[in-house]
Amino acid sequence: EDKVVQSPLSLVVHEGDTVTLNCSYEVTNFRSLLWYKQEKKAPTFLFMLTSSGIEKKSGRLSSILDKKELFSILNITATQTGDSAVYLCAVQGGSQGNLIFGKGTKLSVKP
Amino acid sequence: NAGVTQTPKFRVLKTGQSMTLLCAQDMNHEYMYWYRQDPGMGLRLIHYSVGEGTTAKGEVPDGYNVSRLKKQNFLLGLESAAPSQTSVYFCATRTGGLLPLHFGNGTRLTVT
Repeated sequence: EDKVVQSPLSLVVHEGDTVTLNCSYEVTNFRSLLWYKQEKKAPTFLFMLTSSGIEKKSGRLSSILDKKELFSILNITATQTGDSAVYLCAVQGGSQGNLIFGKGTKLSVKP
Repeated sequence: NAGVTQTPKFRVLKTGQSMTLLCAQDMNHEYMYWYRQDPGMGLRLIHYSVGEGTTAKGEVPDGYNVSRLKKQNFLLGLESAAPSQTSVYFCATRTGGLLPLHFGNGTRLTVT
């Protein structure tokens, strides 16, 4: 069965800390891995990764994929209270090529 | 340009009642999806469509039906609502072959 596992499930840090969120997967016919940020409503897209070892970066956020070890990490440096959200990892694959989501990591950043 | 619009935003149903959730998109995307999100469960795929007139089952299709009569609209129906269908429902779309998904703002459904 295809699955995506995120860890930790929740995390509390203080402003300025650096955090690393983990996503491991066992998905047949892997095509891509995506990270989303979800605050109150709709998930918003952060990154899409298809190749191992190539870091994607946007401001204080960065992500990298390891297709050999089947995992990805999302790093957030110098965290701010606005980074508080649920971070979702999803893998496109399986028999139908749909997205398979992990359960998410809830990040809380305290002032 | 509204993107992906879901109606209604909130709804309370009694057990056994029926309702339809509407997803409308103005991006001319081929693929449309219905997900449900429950605490601790992540997003789970209910049904999806790869184009006008097509539908397919996802991970958790039981108790739901869908229709895609027009390319821009994807309807999710509950024929006889059950408390287990209390959830937040998200519609998402994408272009053919390309990600990422674009999400609507969700519909919060409570079945009592």
